[in-house]
This record gives sequence, structure tokens and C-alpha cells, in this order.
Amino acid sequence: DADVTQTPRNRITKTGKRIMLECSQTKGHDRMYWYRQDPGLGLQLIYYSFDVKDINKGEISDGYSVSRQAQAKFSLSLESAIPNQTALYFCATSDPGLAGGTEQFFGPGTRLTVL
Amino acid sequence: QKEVEQNSGPLSVPEGAIASLNCTYSDRGSQSFFWYRQYSGKSPELIMSIYSNGDKEDGRFTAQLNKASQYVSLLIRDSQPSDSATYLCAVNPDTGTASKLTFGTGTRLQVTL
Repeated sequence: DADVTQTPRNRITKTGKRIMLECSQTKGHDRMYWYRQDPGLGLQLIYYSFDVKDINKGEISDGYSVSRQAQAKFSLSLESAIPNQTALYFCATSDPGLAGGTEQFFGPGTRLTVL
Repeated sequence: QKEVEQNSGPLSVPEGAIASLNCTYSDRGSQSFFWYRQYSGKSPELIMSIYSNGDKEDGRFTAQLNKASQYVSLLIRDSQPSDSATYLCAVNPDTGTASKLTFGTGTRLQVTL
């Protein structure tokens, strides 16, 4: 089945460490997104990419960076993790040919804890 | 003012009843509207999309859109315990190719036996 996968699914790290979260998809979608979800705050967009050469900041990009290694892969890095980056992180994809790319499909999420 | 607003709930309905979930949005130019279901600890799952005024039905789910009043709602008929989840409203505030979504904080639905 065409799918969106994220690794790792859970990660505990310490303040100041660099960490990378990875997202892969077999849906063949061009567009990929990274969100974080905090209790009571909903989903907030961190970065998005419409193709390998197109990377855009979202609402809360400070402290994060991304890399689009291929159409199917989009990685999120925390250069120096801090405790308030503890959250649930989701990758999502969309196809511009489907409803203008607005229907997004989510991966299973990564639960990140920064001590 | 939040761009997409939902009552956080919990909304409690008995099994077999109709659950009504509401969402208002601030950007009058919004074109696309979505409902996602999210079980605790899981990822959001797209269950309904609606693009024009009126009702759209899919099985037990009906999405309703009123652009003049800037609200979108989701009705769940014959509610089942398995419908207990948080329902996220999402709005695309841009036209063209932007395809970004703004999410509400979600309404938690509890279906009781």
C-alpha cells in the first residue's frame, strides 16, 4: 500500500543534542510537510516543500531545519534540541493534482521528548 | 482571534445519536475545508472534504459549509463508540498552489454506551 512512514517513532534525547526525524512516502506525492502537535495547540506547520528544490518556512520554523533528499524523502532536524520542542511530530504529503494539493495525508508520527 | 476555531469539548453523545461538530474560520477567502479524525496518540485521518456551499454526504458523515457565515460543520449519524476521537477542522486559506492548511485545535467526541 502507498504509505507515509516516519522514523523513529519515539525518541528521547537531551538538551543540546542534534536530532533528525525522517519521513518517507510511497504515494508519489510531490508535496511534503512537517507539523508539530502540542496538547491544546493543534497542528502547527514547521516547514513544507513542493518539490526537491522548493523549501518553505511554516509558522514555527525557528530551531528547525529540513532537507528534501528526494521526492520521497523529507527530513526534519533539530540542531540543538530544547525541552519546549517536546511534542508529537507529523509528516504529511499531498498531490497537487488532487484538490489542488490541499488534501493532506499524514504519517504515523514521532513522539519526541527532550530532557 | 484564532483563524480556525472549534469547541474543545468533550462533546458527549449516546450511541446511535447524531453528533454535531462545528468550526468557524476567519479568512473569508478560504476555498477548501476538511475534517480529520484523530484517535489518541495516532495521526490525523482525512474523513471529509468540502469545497462549495451546502451539504456533502459520505456514509454516516455529512459535512456542511456556509461560506457567508464562515462556518463548517460535521454531522455523524448513528454515532458508534468507535467514533470517539478528536475531530480536527482544517481550512485552506489560499487559492492557487499554496495548499497549506490551518488547523483548529479539535473537538473531542465521546460516544457513550
